[in-house]
Order: sequence, then C-alpha cells, then structure tokens
Amino acid sequence: DTGVSQDPRHKITKRGQNVTFRCDPISEHNRLYWYRQTLGQGPEFLTYFQNEAQLEKSRLLSDRFSAERPKGSFSTLEIQRTEQGDSAMYLCASSLGGQAGGAFFGQGTRLTVV
Amino acid sequence: AQSVTQLDSHVSVSEGTPVLLRCNYSSSYSPSLFWYVQHPNKGLQLLLKYTSAATLVKGINGFEAEFKKSETSFHLTKPSAHMSDAAEYFCVHTSGGYQKVTFGTGTKLQVIP
Repeated sequence: DTGVSQDPRHKITKRGQNVTFRCDPISEHNRLYWYRQTLGQGPEFLTYFQNEAQLEKSRLLSDRFSAERPKGSFSTLEIQRTEQGDSAMYLCASSLGGQAGGAFFGQGTRLTVV
Repeated sequence: AQSVTQLDSHVSVSEGTPVLLRCNYSSSYSPSLFWYVQHPNKGLQLLLKYTSAATLVKGINGFEAEFKKSETSFHLTKPSAHMSDAAEYFCVHTSGGYQKVTFGTGTKLQVIP
C-alpha cells in the first residue's frame, strides 16, 4: 500500500500517560499535516510540516502536544499527560506542494483516554 | 476569516434518486474548495476540487459540484444515488496560499434501498 499510513490504528491509554503516534506519508510528498477529529465534527487542523520544518501550529496544539518530522519523511505526534478531552481521531495527511485542501489522508489513529 | 457551512447534518435519499449536499463558504479571498468523503473505518478520500478554473467540477464516482460566487456556494450533486454512496461528506475550504484548511461539520448521507 503506497498511501498514507498511521500507526497505531487504535490506542487506549490511562489519563496522565504519554502517547506517541506515527505517520508515514506518501513517499515523495514534502508536506505533512496533522488533524484532530472529534465525534460529529469535521477534522481540525493541528500542525503542518514542509519537509522537516514545522511551519504552522494551531492554537489547539497545547504545550502537551509536540510533533516532529526529523528527516522530512515520517512524522510523530506526542501527547504528554493525556487528558480525557484528548480522546479523538488523529489524522495525518500529505501532499506534494499544492493546496493543503487536496492532501491525501491516512485512516487515522483513534485515541481513547480512560 | 474563512469558514465553511454544511447546511444539513443528515440527508436521506432513495437509491437511484438525485443527491444534493449543500455547502456555503465565507472568505475574504479567492477560495479553493474541496469535497471529501469518509466511509466508516476508512480514511478521507478526495472527491473533487475547485481551484478557480472551471466553475463546474467533476469528481470521482459520478459526483460533481458547481462553484457559485454570487451565492458563495459549492454544492455537491450526483444524478443517481448508489448504495455505496452512503458515507459522510465534508466540504473543505482554503484561501489563497494558506496551508490551513477549514472542514465543514460534515453531512451524513443515507441511501435507502
């Protein structure tokens, strides 16, 4: 499969624990995006990378969230000291230049904080 | 500021009848508009996009959308619904070269046999 892949697909964690998600974009895509989607809502932008540079961060991305894309390929999203409000689907998307709106999405990581 | 409004949270149609999913946008700049579909347990899939070329945009699976600047609308249509069209549809807006996108709240399409 040469699409965007995310790992894990599901994660259940206890409140206060740290979690890390991984996204592997389509191989030649230089842009990578993270979104969060809660039940009944559309995805909300979190952050965006062009190659290894993090160029934009949403106000939604609190200090407990950090994202990296160390070599301009895969990316990780870490949430520290998880809270129940962090429960959501975390989506990754990638694109080769062009508009962010036309990016290709992965299937997401569903996080449940108990 | 940019925003997008999907007017219906749920739409129900009979198989073989037309589909209309409504989307209105507001933006200070020339918008780029997209429609995505999300099937259960699957990733978001791009259906079609408008980027200031032809106002009538054709997408995959027989869907199309028309950009109407005077009405600030970008409604998604399909002449004849198929059972496999049952999914959630998102209207998406970007403005200028901005890399942030705004998703609508989604419209769940139910197709009745």
